[in-house]
Amino acid sequence: EIQLVESGGGLIQPGGSLRLSCAASGFTFSSYWMHWVRQAPGKGLVWVSRIDSDGSSTSYADSVKGRFTISRDNAKNTLYLQMNSLRAEDTAVYYCARGSWGFGNWGQGTLVTVSS
Amino acid sequence: QSALTQPPSASGSPGQSVTISCTGTSSDVGGYNFVSWYQQHPGKAPKLMIYEVSKRPSGVPDRFSGSKSGNTASLTVSGLQAEDEADYYCSSYAGSNNFVFGTGTKVTVL
Repeated sequence: EIQLVESGGGLIQPGGSLRLSCAASGFTFSSYWMHWVRQAPGKGLVWVSRIDSDGSSTSYADSVKGRFTISRDNAKNTLYLQMNSLRAEDTAVYYCARGSWGFGNWGQGTLVTVSS
Repeated sequence: QSALTQPPSASGSPGQSVTISCTGTSSDVGGYNFVSWYQQHPGKAPKLMIYEVSKRPSGVPDRFSGSKSGNTASLTVSGLQAEDEADYYCSSYAGSNNFVFGTGTKVTVL
């Protein structure tokens, strides 16, 4: 069974940093692109970032470019999202998702709240 | 990276059909056959319902179908059932390894 389990969310002050993790199991992690998608409370889904299977290529939404960094450790079957210079508008549930041209599997999400 | 445009809401009675549109541009929906659709129930993670415009993952009922014409993609749910009441989002590849989601549509089963 494919499982994606996010962790690392919490309450953080504006300007602070947080690192999210996504532990993957049930599939060959190193063969798949991975993504982060976020959803602000009561709002829609927003694509955040993508990383290819070996980590050599990454891409970001304009709203997080220069502040967020996606990475992966294929030996640990884990995806990461380093979030710096956090703003109130980054408050959201962050999901990791597996897939190339679509998002076939999703984790349960981890809530990040940016507030003083 | 503007969100794809979906109607805020759609509804139908049990057994009827409902179609949701997803309008983008030639740089996303119209430029690639990588449109996908997701169902999200309250408090739950999204679930893939359609990928590559019209393909259904295993386990998704054939009541769900997708299509595309120009810059607009569509999801049709036939034979509406109570459990189909949810939020639906489209997504498209937007070039340069970027992706974009739609604004979301709340489907109500009357």
